[in-house]
Amino acid sequence: EAQVTQNPRYLITVTGKKLTVTCSQNMNHEYMSWYRQDPGLGLRQIYYSMNVEVTDKGDVPEGYKVSRKEKRNFPLILESPSPNQTSLYFCASSLGVADTQYFGPGTRLTVL
Amino acid sequence: KQEVTQIPAALSVPEGENLVLNCSFTDSAIYNLQWFRQDPGKGLTSLLLIQSSQREQTSGRLNASLDKSSGRSTLYIAASQPGDSATYLCAGASTGGGNKLTFGTGTQLKVEL
Repeated sequence: EAQVTQNPRYLITVTGKKLTVTCSQNMNHEYMSWYRQDPGLGLRQIYYSMNVEVTDKGDVPEGYKVSRKEKRNFPLILESPSPNQTSLYFCASSLGVADTQYFGPGTRLTVL
Repeated sequence: KQEVTQIPAALSVPEGENLVLNCSFTDSAIYNLQWFRQDPGKGLTSLLLIQSSQREQTSGRLNASLDKSSGRSTLYIAASQPGDSATYLCAGASTGGGNKLTFGTGTQLKVEL
């Protein structure tokens, strides 16, 4: 089944404790992105990747890192999480820049 | 900078009614416009994608239109059902922004029996 998977689905952590949210797609898509969703602000792009080893900032990249060492995986790294990074995070992928984007099920992160 | 607005923010209709959800965007330089459905606590499900060269797309009871010149898109849902209750999001992919989707804040739809 074609899908985007994320792990973990739920995470509660404390300020400053490094964490990684994994994202994987099995559709051989070139493009992958991370978004965060906050009430009243909608979804905003954090980072995106056009291919292996090619990444660029989205609208809200501060406090996040990404890497794309393999085509299928695009992990999101929070090196020193803060409470303002409490949010619902989505990973997405698409074949090309103008193609349908497919979203993962989301990761609900709470930083205390 | 692209801005996407969705009106109304919430809508309640009786079952069987046809309805239209509206989406407006400020930057007409878009690759495409995509409509999604989001159920509470769930991810986003892609409903329809309209490329910038197209005027409309249809899938079952759903029809989406795109008018780049006026910066508007509509999602038409025919013969609404309680299972259509969800939040509907539109998002535009602008040229020059990688594959970034700029989202509206959504229309929360409730279809009542």
